[in-house]
Amino acid sequence: QVQLVESGGGLVKPGGSLRLSCAASGFTFSDYYMSWIRQAPGKGLEWVSYISSSGSTIYYADSVKGRFTISRDNAKNSLYLQMNSLRAEDTAVFYCARLTHVRFDYWGQGTLVTVSS
Amino acid sequence: QSALTQPASVSGSPGQSITISCTGTSSDVGIYNYVSWYQLHPGKAPKLMIYDVSNRPSGVSIRFSGSKSGNTASLTISGLQAEDEADYYCNSYTTSSTPVFGTGTKVTVL
Repeated sequence: QVQLVESGGGLVKPGGSLRLSCAASGFTFSDYYMSWIRQAPGKGLEWVSYISSSGSTIYYADSVKGRFTISRDNAKNSLYLQMNSLRAEDTAVFYCARLTHVRFDYWGQGTLVTVSS
Repeated sequence: QSALTQPASVSGSPGQSITISCTGTSSDVGIYNYVSWYQLHPGKAPKLMIYDVSNRPSGVSIRFSGSKSGNTASLTISGLQAEDEADYYCNSYTTSSTPVFGTGTKVTVL
């Protein structure tokens, strides 16, 4: 069965960096687009970024453009999100999701990122 | 890209039907039949309930149905059950080649 497991969340100071990982299993990872989505405490879902199956096509939300970098390693069945220049408003649960023709058909349980001094 | 507009809350009694609206623009909901709906229970992974406006993934109850008219999509839950109490979000593909989520709706079963 499809499994997505996020890791790498934690407490970081404003201006700091963090790298999230998502380990995928149960499907041919290299065939699928993948995405990161976040939910700030008490707020709604916000799409963050997506990457094509080969990694050649990448999009970001305006709120993270220039600060976050999405990448993948198809040999390791892994998705990553490098987050730099973190702000308090980046505090959220970050979800990894498989993207199948514009729908997010499988999600992980999420990893919490807290940006605070 | 602004979030799609959903009612903050909708409630109903067990067995009743409820409908959640999702209003976008001619740059997202109105132009593409790529609206999907997600159910969020606290502490659990979000779950895809409807895709491409009205299609149900395997394993999703037939009590869940979707539709669209113009710039507004809708999710209907028929025969409301206690387990349906959750947050629901719509999502649409946009002309910017990016997805946008709705503001979210809390469904309460009375």
